[in-house]
Amino acid sequence: AQSVTQPDIHITVSEGASLELRCNYSYGATPYLFWYVQSPGQGLQLLLKYFSGDTLVQGIKGFEAEFKRSQSSFNLRKPSVHWSDAAEYFCAVGASGTYKYIFGTGTRLKVLA
Amino acid sequence: EAQVTQNPRYLITVTGKKLTVTCSQNMNHEYMSWYRQDPGLGLRQIYYSMNVEVTDKGDVPEGYKVSRKEKRNFPLILESPSPNQTSLYFCASSTGFGKLFFGSGTQLSVL
Repeated sequence: AQSVTQPDIHITVSEGASLELRCNYSYGATPYLFWYVQSPGQGLQLLLKYFSGDTLVQGIKGFEAEFKRSQSSFNLRKPSVHWSDAAEYFCAVGASGTYKYIFGTGTRLKVLA
Repeated sequence: EAQVTQNPRYLITVTGKKLTVTCSQNMNHEYMSWYRQDPGLGLRQIYYSMNVEVTDKGDVPEGYKVSRKEKRNFPLILESPSPNQTSLYFCASSTGFGKLFFGSGTQLSVL
């Protein structure tokens, strides 16, 4: 069965520090992979997605993610975090042919000034 | 402005009283879906629709119904709500497996 694991429930970083949010997935074929961000009281906004091709994907707000098939991972990174990045981040996998999306449980990011 | 509109934003009801949460999109998207968000569980897909009159179950469909009579609308129906359906609900739309556009959410409390 498809699944998505985000092992870190909460992460705290200082403003200006680098960030890596982990995501591992379980899927039988090459999945469609996504990262979404949810600010307090808001819906979700797409940061980036991976379907095929270059395994390093650039997204909005300076985020990037790398698809590593051997590790079944799709970790999100940002070289320098801003206070406005404080939010909850969700990794998701899409099952081709079914239009089913599986979301991870989320990682809540806190940014210290 | 491209958007997904959900109504109501907040809803408090009692067990067993039928309710409908509406969802409408103005982007002519074929794909629409409903999710519920619960603390520690992330978002779980309830139902999705790939086009008019085409719907399918997600991971947690029990206790919910949907219909897709028009391309723009995808209402979520709770025929007999129970307290375990207290949750934050999101509607989303997209063109196929592209970017999901989410509504602002509906906070439902079932007493």
